Formats: sequence, structure tokens, C-alpha cells
Amino acid sequence: ILNVEQSPQSLHVQEGDSTNFTCSFPSSNFYALHWYRWETAKSPEALFVMTLNGDEKKKGRISATLNTKEGYSYLYIKGSQPEDSATYLCAFATGANNLFFGTGTRLTVIP
Amino acid sequence: GAVVSQHPSRVICKSGTSVKIECRSLDFQATTMFWYRQFPKQSLMLMATSNEGSKATYEQGVEKDKFLINHASLTLSTLTVTSAHPEDSSFYICSSWGGGVTDTQYFGPGTRLTVL
Repeated sequence: ILNVEQSPQSLHVQEGDSTNFTCSFPSSNFYALHWYRWETAKSPEALFVMTLNGDEKKKGRISATLNTKEGYSYLYIKGSQPEDSATYLCAFATGANNLFFGTGTRLTVIP
Repeated sequence: GAVVSQHPSRVICKSGTSVKIECRSLDFQATTMFWYRQFPKQSLMLMATSNEGSKATYEQGVEKDKFLINHASLTLSTLTVTSAHPEDSSFYICSSWGGGVTDTQYFGPGTRLTVL
């Protein structure tokens, strides 16, 4: 079992604040890094698939960076909104379908 | 992204009974589907890989005779928890794979199983 760690476990931010959290993963056998957004009672929604060291991806107010050499990825949310409240999961892939998930960061945005 | 449905969303059963969970890929054909489970405060853990028309591949420590997987069509995979016991109570979630090299897995909403 590979160790994929996400921090913090949870956080609360005020509406309008920007925030970021971390996914740490092994620096060997890297294939891809996936980010998902998971709202309660819904399906996890794919945000990004990142494959190259130095990758930066953006989707609206959410962006992510990737450092495969040191084994971490950051997810940033600019100007948080209440609808951003969700659990954000990262998954380290050693192959196209070998995903190892972190336990997630639970974000609550306070109006 | 692709849409995956899962049914039921919640099930409570008595110890010793069997429970079937369905996972459907609604808008594309999935040759490969996955079954995960998540215990409280833990991460999603892969149980098995389900391949259409062939036997599932189980992860180490997952009993294939207890967790029966059937992937009879390109849009449907089922997981049957046979003779369920309280320790099988967990959150079970399926996903399907788009198939591309940089494609992601598309998840269903999950099934909460409680065995009394």
C-alpha cells in the first residue's frame, strides 16, 4: 500500500478567502496525479489529471500544481464560495488504473 | 465527464444475507470498472477490477468468494456481498475508466452498507 497524504484533514474558510491544500505522494513509480472534488451524497467529480513535473492546471477558480521530484501537488482555490464546500481527494497513479487515494481535505466555506 | 450510477445508495441487511450493488455506466461503454470500499476515516481502497466478459481481478486480502463481481455488459457491473457480516459494513463505490492514457476514473455516488 502506497502512502498518499493530504493536509490539512479539514479547514474552514470565510467566503472570499483563497485557500490551498497539499497532497504528498511517493517520488518513485509516478504515472499521474488525480484530483477529485467530492460533495456529500454525490459522485466524486474529476478535476485534474496531471502527468508532467511542473504541470499547472486551472479550472475556473481552482488550480493545481505538480512536483513529481519532491512528491507533492498543491490545489488552490481563489475567492472561495460556499459551493466550493466539499472533500477534495487526490490519487497517486502508478499506472493508468492503479490509483492510491489520500483521505481527503474537507473544506467548509462559511458565508 | 461520464455519468456513472450506483444502486442502491443505502442498504441495511441482517447478518448472513447477501446484498447486490449495481454500477451502471450511463453514457459510454466501459470495458473496465472498479470497486472500492471506504471505512470510516480511511481512504478509498481498491477491492477489485471488473473486466467485461472475463473474471474480475481481486486485490490482495479481498475474498473473491465473498465479494462476487459480474461484468456481463459494457455498461453494468454488479458486486454481491455474500453472507454479509457486521464487519462488511462500509461504503462501497464503483468507477468506470474512460480508456485513454490520461483519462480519469468516473465514479458512482456510492452505496452505504450496514449489516446488523
